[in-house]
Amino acid sequence: GAGVSQSPRYKVAKRGQDVALRCDPISGHVSLFWYQQALGQGPEFLTYFQNEAQLDKSGLPSDRFFAERPEGSVSTLKIQRTQQEDSAVYLCASTPSRGERNTEAFFGQGTRLTVV
Amino acid sequence: GDSVTQMEGPVTLSEEAFLTINCTYTATGYPSLFWYVQYPGEGLQLLLKATKADDKGSNKGFEATYRKETTSFHLEKGSVQVSDSAVYFCAHNKGGYQKVTFGTGTKLQVIP
Repeated sequence: GAGVSQSPRYKVAKRGQDVALRCDPISGHVSLFWYQQALGQGPEFLTYFQNEAQLDKSGLPSDRFFAERPEGSVSTLKIQRTQQEDSAVYLCASTPSRGERNTEAFFGQGTRLTVV
Repeated sequence: GDSVTQMEGPVTLSEEAFLTINCTYTATGYPSLFWYVQYPGEGLQLLLKATKADDKGSNKGFEATYRKETTSFHLEKGSVQVSDSAVYFCAHNKGGYQKVTFGTGTKLQVIP
């Protein structure tokens, strides 16, 4: 597609349930990022991939969060045993480069996760 | 640590009013600076950017100048329109890859 696509757009999960959020980056984009945006806040960095390699996962808030990008294109963010504090919008972004500092990141519309 | 601070909203302006949204940052080194915009129901979009001191980024009538001496990157527009109503995020990155640090966002509402 023309832009970064995320699915589902909305997800309601019961506390303790596992969820998987999908990101389809722009075709050919090397770098992929996940961000978490809590209500009324700016996005917070979670993790970064360069092709299939996860080069930085320092922003993942706990070991319940896991991300993968096995073939260097589509990425999945998995959250195990969801908690209420996981409720947020999860944003995916991709860039065509290896993440040089001046490169524009293209964002998807996000997945709004609500844990009840 | 690295951070971005921007003025709290919401900001409500009448159409054709002058807009300023303040943004200051802390970072070691020389980050690139960005303003992103999020229209209702849409994803984040890059509005403008500046990559070095004294650079001015501009787009759609918006401008921001990279001020290293004051560590600021204030967003301005001379005459806002209703269609500018959105949430605006100031951001920077300085890493070897595009790890962007965002401010908390400022909601702008423009009324006719």
